[in-house]
Amino acid sequence: GAVVSQHPSRVICKSGTSVKIECRSLDFQATTMFWYRQFPKQSLMLMATSNEGSKATYEQGVEKDKFLINHASLTLSTLTVTSAHPEDSSFYICSARDLLAYQETQYFGPGTRLLVL
Amino acid sequence: DAKTTQPTSMDCAEGRAANLPCNHSTISGNEYVYWYRQIHSQGPQYIIHGLKNNETNEMASLIITEDRKSSTLILPHATLRDTAVYYCIVRVARGTASKLTFGTGTRLQVTL
Repeated sequence: GAVVSQHPSRVICKSGTSVKIECRSLDFQATTMFWYRQFPKQSLMLMATSNEGSKATYEQGVEKDKFLINHASLTLSTLTVTSAHPEDSSFYICSARDLLAYQETQYFGPGTRLLVL
Repeated sequence: DAKTTQPTSMDCAEGRAANLPCNHSTISGNEYVYWYRQIHSQGPQYIIHGLKNNETNEMASLIITEDRKSSTLILPHATLRDTAVYYCIVRVARGTASKLTFGTGTRLQVTL
């Protein structure tokens, strides 16, 4: 299947700082990328849908000013957690949709584990 | 997207077939059935998807009932590396509305 990468794989930061997570589609172009969050022993929760060249669409209850999403190219989307707090500690996973794949199959990155101290 | 119902957990002996059921009684005519799995601390991995015909690939087989209200994912010869949470998701194939919404999935434990 297609490859999606994330960087960094894990990050520890102090409360109040901002953290940027990158998501790249390595062997295909993705006009649409998705950002999920997963707390321990829970399922993935969709945070937002990122469309190349336009504003992201956030799910209900997700603060758009706290979770800034930029999708500047067909292979890169970034999620910035601004003024992070301990409750933002979670596993963040991005996903990219391959428009040329059979029925636009969606592929996931390996995830980024964020710990806010 | 239609909601799915899966058993919380299942066990399977290594080398045997693992049959994971999924109910999606409210599925619409244009919605596909997708299966993903998530091994601990990794991102979900695409397994297979289908509309109404049975599908098979190198990883698994997908059996969809004629009325499309349920399906079964079959791992023909389970190994310890197949231990994971398996998610059954229904969604439309294309367009901005085709988001993947994850339920609680089935935790498959493959044992020796």
